Amino acid sequence: SAVISQKPSRDICQRGTSLTIQCQVDSQVTMMFWYRQQPGQSLTLIATANQGSEATYESGFVIDKFPISRPNLTFSTLTVSNMSPEDSSIYLCSVAASDTQYFGPGTRLTVL
Amino acid sequence: GENVEQHPSTLSVQEGDSAVIKCTYSDSASNYFPWYKQELGKGPQLIIDIRSNVGEKKDQRIAVTLNKTAKHFSLHITETQPEDSAVYFCAGLGGGADGLTFGKGTHLIIQP
Repeated sequence: SAVISQKPSRDICQRGTSLTIQCQVDSQVTMMFWYRQQPGQSLTLIATANQGSEATYESGFVIDKFPISRPNLTFSTLTVSNMSPEDSSIYLCSVAASDTQYFGPGTRLTVL
Repeated sequence: GENVEQHPSTLSVQEGDSAVIKCTYSDSASNYFPWYKQELGKGPQLIIDIRSNVGEKKDQRIAVTLNKTAKHFSLHITETQPEDSAVYFCAGLGGGADGLTFGKGTHLIIQP
């Protein structure tokens, strides 16, 4: 399995500001993903973080709003830009390892 | 793309009884079906998964069955215990996709 950590674990932000979430894995992985879980809802894939190239975004998510970096095989960041209250969610990092997908503990974001 | 339906949304069972959660999927090319348990304030934890080349998999009190013809898969928990109370999510990995598509979740309540 893979051990995944995220920073911060939670934050409260003002609308119009941006927050960068970090994801660190304890081993090198090819595939890293970012998901969003809105309050009381299921998980929705935001994008696949590709090492050495631009992230691949799902329908409804755009790079200007959710820029992603993947500088190496163990680390990725997701930025939530120009936040509004609708961005209040749990943001989860996930990795594919041994043909299985594992999730980090999540970052709980509240936008006022 | 893949679409995953999950039922029921809430399931209440007496401690010691069995619980069954069912999911259907739309993409016949899907080949990987994990189940996650999410406790309050935590990230999803993988509890069992199944691939399209097998029909059933067991791990102690937990089992998953897959019917490729009908495109549905189920989670079975036997001898339920209070610590089984959580939200359970099924997911599918569609053909050609990297990220998972999730069902809407089942809130499992174990009554003492």
